[in-house]
Amino acid sequence: EIVMTQSPATLSVSPGERAALSCRASQTIYNKLAWYQQRPGQPPRLLIYAASTRATGVPARFSGSGSGTEFTLTISSLQSEDFAVYYCQDYNNWPLTFGGGTKVEIK
Amino acid sequence: QLQLQESGPGLVKPSETLSLTCTVSGGSTSSTSYCWGWIRQPPGKGLEWIATIYYTGNTYYNPSLRSRVTISIDTSKNQFSLKLNSVTAADTAVYYCARQDTTMVASDWGQGTLVTVSS
Repeated sequence: EIVMTQSPATLSVSPGERAALSCRASQTIYNKLAWYQQRPGQPPRLLIYAASTRATGVPARFSGSGSGTEFTLTISSLQSEDFAVYYCQDYNNWPLTFGGGTKVEIK
Repeated sequence: QLQLQESGPGLVKPSETLSLTCTVSGGSTSSTSYCWGWIRQPPGKGLEWIATIYYTGNTYYNPSLRSRVTISIDTSKNQFSLKLNSVTAADTAVYYCARQDTTMVASDWGQGTLVTVSS
């Protein structure tokens, strides 16, 4: 089973600032990496797939990068609605596995 | 617009079977472009993939739960279902159903249903 490790666990950022979230896979997953956003009391929402492709309707301030074992989700200018928990997910292997999440909170 | 709605008991006794159904509207479980999955999230914790099924009936299970889980699909009712037997308190979680594309990315999610295992 692939282990997905996200860092940091919590990121404190001021509105308007840039945030960079990291995800590391225990072995190569090529570009088979998705990012999800989860707001409190809500289901996860797909943001990014194939490591860097934005899902339909996702604002351009969200971008993904990386391949192999190292991946990054960048939010260029944080809006109030972006304060949430973000999960990465490997879909190159079964079982599908998620990282433990990064909580982006208001500084 | 696609909607997925989970339904089932919110309280299950230890050692019994948890049964949930996901009803799909605005889309078809017979689609060749998608498959259908269950994911759970214990309170305050992260996400765990449980199982996925294609309209053909082909299934994929998380090995950690494989011995206790059955996923099934009823395309005539546009529903798919989850059964988890011999539940314990560790199975208490919000259970989500989701539509996945053929790469297994979950593009659409239900709102989730909390299932508590308690006597």
